[in-house]
Amino acid sequence: EVQLLESGGGLAQPGGSVRLSCEASGFNVRSYAMNWVRQAPGKGLEWVSLMSGTGDTISYGDSVKGRFSISRDNSKNTVFLQMNGLRADDTAVYYCARGHIVGTSFWFDSWGQGTLVTVSS
Amino acid sequence: QSVLTQPPSVSAAPGQKVTISCSGSSSNIGNNYVSWYQHLPGTAPKLLIYDNNKRPSGIPDRFSGSKSGTSATLGITGLQTGDEADYYCGTWDSSLRVIVFGGGTQLTVL
Repeated sequence: EVQLLESGGGLAQPGGSVRLSCEASGFNVRSYAMNWVRQAPGKGLEWVSLMSGTGDTISYGDSVKGRFSISRDNSKNTVFLQMNGLRADDTAVYYCARGHIVGTSFWFDSWGQGTLVTVSS
Repeated sequence: QSVLTQPPSVSAAPGQKVTISCSGSSSNIGNNYVSWYQHLPGTAPKLLIYDNNKRPSGIPDRFSGSKSGTSATLGITGLQTGDEADYYCGTWDSSLRVIVFGGGTQLTVL
């Protein structure tokens, strides 16, 4: 069974840092495009970052570019999101999602339950 | 302001049919495939449709997807109270080079 378990959320200071983890089970993260998607309070889904299965392709949404960094530990089958320079508008539930990329088609077939990051002084 | 435009809310009675629209442009829906997700806040979103109109294993055929030009549509027939949720469309935007979602549509089954 495919499972994604996020952790690392909590309260952070503006300008501070948080590292989120996404532990995958039931599949190998090196075989899929792994993503982070967030939902701010009262808002819709916003794609944050992607790492391809090979690790060759890494992308970020404009709102986090230069501040967030995605990485992976193959031995732990875990994906990370390092979040630096946090701002109040980064407050959101952060979801880890397994992605498929086939030509011009992209979809997320498995999601974690999410972890809440609150940025406040 | 989302790149993809969805109606904020739709409603229908149990047993009826509802459609949710998702409008974009040639840089996203017009030249890329669309997926649809069901989301109850606080839970993991669920994939309903991918490649415009394909259903993953386990998704009932009450859910359908279509695409025409720069717009896509999710259809749900035989509405059940358990279908009450937020629904999102998503696709790749070739100009922005990011994955984009619609703003979401809240479905109420009256």
